[in-house]
Amino acid sequence: DTGVSQDPRHKITKRGQNVTFRCDPISEHNRLYWYRQTLGQGPEFLTYFQNEAQLEKSRLLSDRFSAERPKGSFSTLEIQRTEQGDSAMYLCASSLEQGSSYEQYFGPGTRLTVT
Amino acid sequence: AQKVTQAQTEISVVEKEDVTLDCVYETRDTTYYLFWYKQPPSGELVFLIRRNSFDEQNEISGRYSWNFQKSTSSFNFTITASQVVDSAVYFCALSEESGANSKLTFGKGITLSVRP
Repeated sequence: DTGVSQDPRHKITKRGQNVTFRCDPISEHNRLYWYRQTLGQGPEFLTYFQNEAQLEKSRLLSDRFSAERPKGSFSTLEIQRTEQGDSAMYLCASSLEQGSSYEQYFGPGTRLTVT
Repeated sequence: AQKVTQAQTEISVVEKEDVTLDCVYETRDTTYYLFWYKQPPSGELVFLIRRNSFDEQNEISGRYSWNFQKSTSSFNFTITASQVVDSAVYFCALSEESGANSKLTFGKGITLSVRP
């Protein structure tokens, strides 16, 4: 399988706990994106990386959220001190871009439930 | 700021009917890109099409066709002879050239149900 993969697919955690998600992009893709999708809504942009550099963060990304992409390969998204409002599907996407916008390929997502 | 509006929330049709999903967008950029994605019940977003703002030619791919009209800021998607497997949530999305990260702004999606 050469698509975008995400791990875990489902995570249930108690409020106040920390969680970390992983995304493995398509191997030659230099751009990696994180989105969040809540029920009945479209995905909302959280942050993006070009290679290992995190170049933009949405205002949706509070201080409790941190993302990394060491060595420009896989990425992790950590949420500290989770809140019930963090319950959502967290989607990762990757693309190969050299100037103009190209299609982003999405992974299956990690569904987070905070109890 | 960019915005995508999908006014239809849910559409139900009987198999073999044609159905059109509407998408209206707002942007201040002259160069931008429009996309449609499909999200089946399994949850994974599937890329369907990408168009740039300079290409207003309509496109047809099998039973799918897209009508891009800059004059009305619309990028509508038609499924001809719908099938049960077309049942999914369909998202229209926009990215702007001036936004170097090419982040996608999505509409809220349209839930399409195709009944046998």
